[in-house]
Formats: sequence, C-alpha cells, structure tokens
Amino acid sequence: DAEITQSPRHKITETGRQVTLACHQTWNHNNMFWYRQDLGHGLRLIHYSYGVQDTNKGEVSDGYSVSRSNTEDLPLTLESAASSQTSVYFCASSSTRDTYEQYFGPGTRLTVT
Amino acid sequence: ILNVEQSPQSLHVQEGDSTNFTCSFPSSNFYALHWYRWETAKSPEALFVMTLNGDEKKKGQISATLNTKEGYSYLYIKGSQPEDSATYLCAFDIQGAQKLVFGQGTRLTINP
Repeated sequence: DAEITQSPRHKITETGRQVTLACHQTWNHNNMFWYRQDLGHGLRLIHYSYGVQDTNKGEVSDGYSVSRSNTEDLPLTLESAASSQTSVYFCASSSTRDTYEQYFGPGTRLTVT
Repeated sequence: ILNVEQSPQSLHVQEGDSTNFTCSFPSSNFYALHWYRWETAKSPEALFVMTLNGDEKKKGQISATLNTKEGYSYLYIKGSQPEDSATYLCAFDIQGAQKLVFGQGTRLTINP
C-alpha cells in the first residue's frame, strides 16, 4: 500500500544545531508540503514543492529549507535550531495542483533545548 | 493575512445526538475548502474537498455544505458515535495552489 512516512518520529536537539527531518512518500505524488503544528496556531505551512527541483516558501519559512531531488522525498532542514522551532512537524503530499486532498504523514515531534 | 475561523473550539455531545460546527473563510479569491478529521495520536485524514457554492458532500453520517458567497461551511454529524471523537479541521485553498490555510479546529468529544 502507498504511504507517507516521516523520520525520526521524535527528536531532541540543542540550540544552534542543524537538524534534518525526513519525509518519504510512495504515492508518486507531485506535490509535497511541510507544516508545523503549535498550540493556538493550528497547522501552518512551512515549505512546499510541486515537483522535482521545485521548492517554495510558505507562511512560516524563516529558519527552514527544503530540497526536492526526486519525487518521493522532501527533507526539511533547520539550519540552526532555535527553541521557537520546538513543534510537531507534519509532511503531506497530494496528487496534482488541483483540488485534491492532502495525505499526511505521522508527524515528527522536535524539541530544541 | 488570511484568516480561517472555526467555531466552536470544542464541543461535548452525547452519543446518538447530532451536531454541527462552522468554518468561516474569506469569500474573495475562493478556490476550495478542505475538511480533515484528526484523531488523537494519528495524522489528519481528508473528509471532503469542496469547490462549488452550494456544494454538499456526504461520507457516512458526516456531511458538509458550502457557501462561498458568504464565506462559510458547515460540517454535520448525524447520530454521533464515540469513534467520531476527533478534531475537525477546515482549510482554505488559496487560488488552487494547494497552499492551505488551516483553522484551529473544533475538538469534538462524544460522551457514551
């Protein structure tokens, strides 16, 4: 069965360290997205991609970067982790640029100490 | 900054009762409105994607309506069951770019 996975599921890191969160989907979806979920804010879009070599900034992109070298993966990198980036991160994918639902991964809980 | 509002924030309902809640969104530049169901310790799952004014969608005992002119959507659950307990999210799609702006959700608890 097709799926979308994230790793690690839990991560504790120190302020200033570079951290990469992995997202892998086997749906063969063109579109992939990264969100963060914080109390009082709901899900907010960090970065998104419509296909290989395409990346775009979302609402809360400062301090994050992504790259898309193949269809299946969209890793999210925190260049220099800050305590404000402690959050739960969700990756999602969808099939086209049209009105299709997004499929979410299980989430990564990141704590920056 | 786009604002998507959901009300109420939380709701407790007796098993067997019907309930509904609201998602309000900007009425200009509308493209699509998504509804997701999010159970505790799981990831959000899509319920509906709605695009047309007056649209009604149904999945089992859950249905949704859409009014794009006034900027709101209702989600209805008929005959609530404990397994309907979840947070229900709506999200506004900006101009079909799939750049979803989510509301904060309505947390629904069904009491047996």
